[in-house]
Amino acid sequence: EAGVAQSPRYKIIEKRQSVAFWCNPISGHATLYWYQQILGQGPKLLIQFQNNGVVDDSQLPKDRFSAERLKGVDSTLKIQPAKLEDSAVYLCASSWSGGSTDTQYFGPGTRLTVL
Amino acid sequence: LAKTTQPISMDSYEGQEVNITCSHNNIATNDYITWYQQFPSQGPRFIIQGYKTKVTNEVASLFIPADRKSSTLSLPRVSLSDTAVYYCLVGVNQAGTALIFGKGTTLSVSS
Repeated sequence: EAGVAQSPRYKIIEKRQSVAFWCNPISGHATLYWYQQILGQGPKLLIQFQNNGVVDDSQLPKDRFSAERLKGVDSTLKIQPAKLEDSAVYLCASSWSGGSTDTQYFGPGTRLTVL
Repeated sequence: LAKTTQPISMDSYEGQEVNITCSHNNIATNDYITWYQQFPSQGPRFIIQGYKTKVTNEVASLFIPADRKSSTLSLPRVSLSDTAVYYCLVGVNQAGTALIFGKGTTLSVSS
């Protein structure tokens, strides 16, 4: 079974530029998560999709971050404009149906450096 | 939202048993206890989940006392490859659908 795919793996941009990350979840997984992980901290949930609807985006900085999940499969996370404090690893995860007991499968992440 | 407290770091040697304790005093009745493992440059990986007493799988054991205010992840005979960050997760986000990660415990295994 293929795992969660993410691209790119690394990205370096200047502040105020825009950047987009792509995620392809495990086939059949209805729930998709985007996390931000700052160095030395645990992952912080940014947004959770159930199929193509948003379940939770309470911690997504909506003035600069946006995400979409077209057709309930692939998802993109965009930052525009980027700030220095956005430097982090962005992790995508998926699970069968969501819920606190559902196992989340994580991708390798995208390491973003904002200069 | 249940808050968890676990040691920031632990050191061990190959072949030893490692026990990582997590405190979660305000765990809710319907909360499960879940542990994830994260290696450098990788996403977290599910290890084990339990509600009460003891759960064991091929990787680890999870011990939960009757009051469920704490839990202990036990890793038998660790090797160098067990060096990682271990997260104890209890409680969910406001939507009630996703677990909340803390800072985790960094386990360093030496030869």
